[in-house]
Order: sequence, then C-alpha cells, then structure tokens
Amino acid sequence: DADVTQTPRNRITKTGKRIMLECSQTKGHDRMYWYRQDPGLGLRLIYYSFDVKDINKGEISDGYSVSRQAQAKFSLSLESAIPNQTALYFCATSDGTGLGAKNIQYFGAGTRLSVL
Amino acid sequence: KQEVTQIPAALSVPEGENLVLNCSFTDSAIYNLQWFRQDPGKGLTSLLLIQSSQREQTSGRLNASLDKSSGRSTLYIAASQPGDSATYLCAVFKAAGNKLTFGGGTRVLVKP
Repeated sequence: DADVTQTPRNRITKTGKRIMLECSQTKGHDRMYWYRQDPGLGLRLIYYSFDVKDINKGEISDGYSVSRQAQAKFSLSLESAIPNQTALYFCATSDGTGLGAKNIQYFGAGTRLSVL
Repeated sequence: KQEVTQIPAALSVPEGENLVLNCSFTDSAIYNLQWFRQDPGKGLTSLLLIQSSQREQTSGRLNASLDKSSGRSTLYIAASQPGDSATYLCAVFKAAGNKLTFGGGTRVLVKP
C-alpha cells in the first residue's frame, strides 16, 4: 500500500460546486501538505499542517479550505469551484525538522481535478 | 524570495549516455535540497535528499551534489536507460517559514 493515499484520483465538476479531496498517510508523520501543480508554474503550496490542531496558509490558499481530522488525515475543500482551479493536486507528508528528522517529503499519486 | 531554476527544461539523450541535470537557487540559507522524479500523470517520487551540511548523496546510478555557497545542485544519472525517462524536479526547503520551493523541472527522454 502507498504511504500517502489520495482520493479521488480524478474528478470532473462544475463551476460553483463544493468538492473535497481526501488524503491519508501511513508514515506516522505530523506534518501534512497540499500542493497544486500547473503547467509552467510548478508546484505551489496551498495549506500545511504541523499537527491536528495546527493549520497554516500557504502561498495560494484563497478559494480553498482544509481540515485535519486526525494525524493521518488531511482533506482539501473547494467551497465553490471555479475553472482556474483546474489542476493536479498533491498531498504530501514529512517528518519535519526536529532532532533526527530530515524533512523528506513523501507525495501521494495526485488528484486530477477539472472544473467546467 | 527563493527562486529555483532548472535548466534545461527538456533533454533528450541516447541510451547509455550519462545525464546531467542542473538546479540553481537564489537563497543559500536552505535546510535541505531534494530531487524528485515524476512520471506523466503520476505523483512525485523522492530520489535523493541532501542536507545543507552535506556535499553529495548517492543511490545506485544516481549522484546528487550540493554547492550551497553558489546556490547549485547537480543530479547525475549514469548510463541512462529508457526507464529513466521522466520529469525530474528539485526542491529546496527553508526551515524558516516551512517553505519548500520547487523548480520547474527537466523533462528527460532517453531514446533506445
């Protein structure tokens, strides 16, 4: 089984719809992240969480919200989807920068989202 | 603001040739640098991670070097194979602000 699992893998939705992308990890890490990847723009950070009670905005958080339901689960929501949110979304986890940690980032397989 | 650049954006080589992929970054105050591989439509697979105090890391045919003072890292892939065809991304992590910044990637095609 994958260390980081994202569901769904593909999603087509219409403008104005609310959708949720889910992520779970089996690495036992505290830190989890959501990124989006667009052609020519690389990967950009949407939100990140250092533990269940910690949520932080990344560089492009407008139009998105997140929920850290448990150490292993971190979901991303688009409250009212718009076409320019069409992208490849990735969830990631890392062990952070504490003693002995290397902050290696492990990525899920991605969710391809199309907003029509 | 950290900027990460990967040149070239695309590279095509015959099988067996060594690959040299370049990554440069503007802020040398990094915690680590990580090289990833991405296959079309797939997620990112971590290849090598170099801590800021290290000069290089090796794994099989892969070797990555880091020159923090000049803001450069190079990924070498020896004796390339068609299975090495993918996009290779470098990313630098800065602990202050918990910021991981990605380069745009180098798309590699190894021709049989």
